Amino acid sequence: QQQVKQSPQSLIVQKGGISIINCAYENTAFDYFPWYQQFPGKGPALLIAIRPDVSEKKEGRFTISFNKSAKQFSLHIMDSQPGDSATYFCAASNPSFYNQGGKLIFGQGTELSVKP
Amino acid sequence: GAVVSQHPSRVICKSGTSVKIECRSLDFQATTMFWYRQFPKQSLMLMATSNEGSKATYEQGVEKDKFLINHASLTLSTLTVTSAHPEDSSFYICSASDWRHISSYNEQFFGPGTRLTVL
Repeated sequence: QQQVKQSPQSLIVQKGGISIINCAYENTAFDYFPWYQQFPGKGPALLIAIRPDVSEKKEGRFTISFNKSAKQFSLHIMDSQPGDSATYFCAASNPSFYNQGGKLIFGQGTELSVKP
Repeated sequence: GAVVSQHPSRVICKSGTSVKIECRSLDFQATTMFWYRQFPKQSLMLMATSNEGSKATYEQGVEKDKFLINHASLTLSTLTVTSAHPEDSSFYICSASDWRHISSYNEQFFGPGTRLTVL
């Protein structure tokens, strides 16, 4: 019930296209859903995050769509660029861990390659 | 803001030796720090959670006597890999958060990672 399932495992998109990565969760108590971007040999960097009181959040070319009833959320990267080529991780956090600062449950990761 | 550093960025050691990795929150106070390990092409695996001034809470399957975690201040946590062996070679990443902030209590800010190679 603590799992977050992410798909696809890898994704190839042409420059200018839309990259879509999906995640699904089971635990309805999760209240924080971040996406992280990780380049090889680097730590993950927070890209964008959403809480379940909204269905969509947009920051620049990155949009999170959140479907609470389906227990799914997705990351959309508009106008994908070669510089977006990285591994993307979704995650979810349960407020019952608040006194530990929010333990994150990570998805399996998606390796995105944007072709010029 | 919200910068987390790790030191060293890369370390190579001989089998049987101990290695200490430092994680610092540079511009905020971290009530909680997390330690992860990541193998190539895999997701992040949480090893332990540490609250400042308290003993760390280890995830199932993580040997607490092998991976010693100290969180002595609100800006510094250390992970010591004791008697390291080649199978401990991995990418170790820390993150930090401040649960006192109501609007961002479960945001985690990650360090750049430490590549450990045990020969």
